[in-house]
Amino acid sequence: EDKVVQSPLSLVVHEGDTVTLNCSYEVTNFRSLLWYKQEKKAPTFLFMLTSSGIEKKSGRLSSILDKKELFSILNITATQTGDSAVYLCAPRAGGTSYGKLTFGQGTILTVHP
Amino acid sequence: EAGVAQSPRYKIIEKRQSVAFWCNPISGHATLYWYQQILGQGPKLLIQFQNNGVVDDSQLPKDRFSAERLKGVDSTLKIQPAKLEDSAVYLCASSYGITSGSETQYFGPGTRLLVL
Repeated sequence: EDKVVQSPLSLVVHEGDTVTLNCSYEVTNFRSLLWYKQEKKAPTFLFMLTSSGIEKKSGRLSSILDKKELFSILNITATQTGDSAVYLCAPRAGGTSYGKLTFGQGTILTVHP
Repeated sequence: EAGVAQSPRYKIIEKRQSVAFWCNPISGHATLYWYQQILGQGPKLLIQFQNNGVVDDSQLPKDRFSAERLKGVDSTLKIQPAKLEDSAVYLCASSYGITSGSETQYFGPGTRLLVL
């Protein structure tokens, strides 16, 4: 059975801090890994990672994948209160699983002013 | 570009009643997904459609849940009869398709269901 574990489960920081969120996975026929941000509504897409060791960057957010060690990290630098949300990682399967996403339980990030 | 539309946004029913949710994906997206998200957990895939065919419904409780996408565009998800443990947010997502090379799934706002 596919498994995704995110850590920490929750994190409380102050504005300006840097955070690192972790995602480890065991997925049959792994194809890619997606990161989503979820506030009090639907998950919004952040990154899709397919290759090991290549950092993807968007503003203060960056992410990298290690397909050998089966994990990904999401970094947020100079955090702001608007970064407060649940961050979900979701490995995507290929082959006969037709692109199925398996979500982790999420990391709850709270940024205080 | 309009996003994924879902209705209703909220629904409160009593156990053993039936309920239906509607989803309209982003125009041109061939693949449509229904997820169940219980409070404190990540979304769990219930069913995946490619056009109007079912690709994966392995985690759909078929004794009470059903879904259809008759014309390959919008979709409905039904629960009959509902149980207390069905209380959750039901998310619909869509993507261009599994063979298009664009794998990103875009989510709708969800329907929050409370079963009393």
